[in-house]
Amino acid sequence: AQSVTQPDIHITVSEGASLELRCNYSYGATPYLFWYVQSPGQGLQLLLKYFSGDTLVQGIKGFEAEFKRSQSSFNLRKPSVHWSDAAEYFCAVGISGGYNKLIFGAGTRLAVHP
Amino acid sequence: EAQVTQNPRYLITVTGKKLTVTCSQNMNHEYMSWYRQDPGLGLRQIYYSMNVEVTDKGDVPEGYKVSRKEKRNFPLILESPSPNQTSLYFCASTLTGQLGQPQHFGDGTRLSIL
Repeated sequence: AQSVTQPDIHITVSEGASLELRCNYSYGATPYLFWYVQSPGQGLQLLLKYFSGDTLVQGIKGFEAEFKRSQSSFNLRKPSVHWSDAAEYFCAVGISGGYNKLIFGAGTRLAVHP
Repeated sequence: EAQVTQNPRYLITVTGKKLTVTCSQNMNHEYMSWYRQDPGLGLRQIYYSMNVEVTDKGDVPEGYKVSRKEKRNFPLILESPSPNQTSLYFCASTLTGQLGQPQHFGDGTRLSIL
């Protein structure tokens, strides 16, 4: 069955430090992959997506993610974290089946220390 | 401004008292869906709608109903709410049901069923 695993429930980094959030997926075909961010009290905002082509994708707010088929991973990175990046991050895979369905990971909550 | 609007944002109610959470989008999107978000589980799809009068079950439909009489509105109905439906609910929409389209999310509705 299709699934998405985000191994880290909570991550704390210092402002200015680099960040990597992990995401592993299980899906038989070529996946459509997404990263969303949820700020407190708000809905989910799309950070970036991967469908095909270049395996390193750039997103908004200085984020990037790399698709590695051999590792079934789609890790999110940012070279220098800002305090405003504190939020919950969700990795999701879009699966075929006749409609636009997303399978979400459990999320990683990011805290940023000044 | 393009948006998905949910109401109410917060609701505390009691077991068995019927309630409706409204969702409206102003982007002329065909595809709409409802998710619930629970700690450690991420977002799980409850119901989705490909267009007016076309709805179908997602992964966790038990205890919920939906309707799609107009393109812009997609209400979620809990006919007899129970405490296990206490959760954070999100409505989302995309232009069509085509796989891979990023979803636009509302700001969420936090339901507490006592």
